[in-house]
Amino acid sequence: DTEVTQTPKHLVMGMTNKKSLKCEQHMGHRAMYWYKQKAKKPPELMFVYSYEKLSINESVPSRFSPECPNSSLLNLHLHALQPEDSALYLCASSQVAEKLFFGSGTQLSVL
Amino acid sequence: GESVGLHLPTLSVQEGDNSIINCAYSNSASDYFIWYKQESGKGPQFIIDIRSNMDKRQGQRVTVLLNKTVKHLSLQIAATQPGDSAVYFCAALSYGQNFVFGPGTRLSVLP
Repeated sequence: DTEVTQTPKHLVMGMTNKKSLKCEQHMGHRAMYWYKQKAKKPPELMFVYSYEKLSINESVPSRFSPECPNSSLLNLHLHALQPEDSALYLCASSQVAEKLFFGSGTQLSVL
Repeated sequence: GESVGLHLPTLSVQEGDNSIINCAYSNSASDYFIWYKQESGKGPQFIIDIRSNMDKRQGQRVTVLLNKTVKHLSLQIAATQPGDSAVYFCAALSYGQNFVFGPGTRLSVLP
């Protein structure tokens, strides 16, 4: 299994809603990542978990809250988002310092 | 830190011709490089990688060239096909930290 699975594929939420994005991999990778990608731009790193511990937080606002329940799962909890947070949210996994495997992403729209 | 850039944001080629996509990086300590392909509505897909102890690596219809002297990376696609139409990103890794992505080149294959 060489897939990273993300759910949901699309999400529309209001600024007062709370929602979660989910990511799963079964490749035995010990590093998992959240990226944000705006249209026609490259992916921007948000968070890195290494061996289930948060190792990098790229100064992301607290309305985004990551969670890594175990080595296969990664969540991103969303609360009180702004319209400018609308983007494609990508999950990736890798062995540490090796190539990233990306999921198909969640297209998020904040109204 | 590292910054990664591209010489050309868009590239149009005739079907059957060869394509060359270029990338420049700034950090001489970068030692691992990857090319990703991203189709509309999908996550980035790994194409080929190269480490700094090599200057050329070949895959199926793709070749990556690395020139460490001028800090330049290129992706060559042989006999370009309509299915190659996508955005191509290069990414560079320094000191085993997170990958930095270039801005991307949109490749259009003309019939």
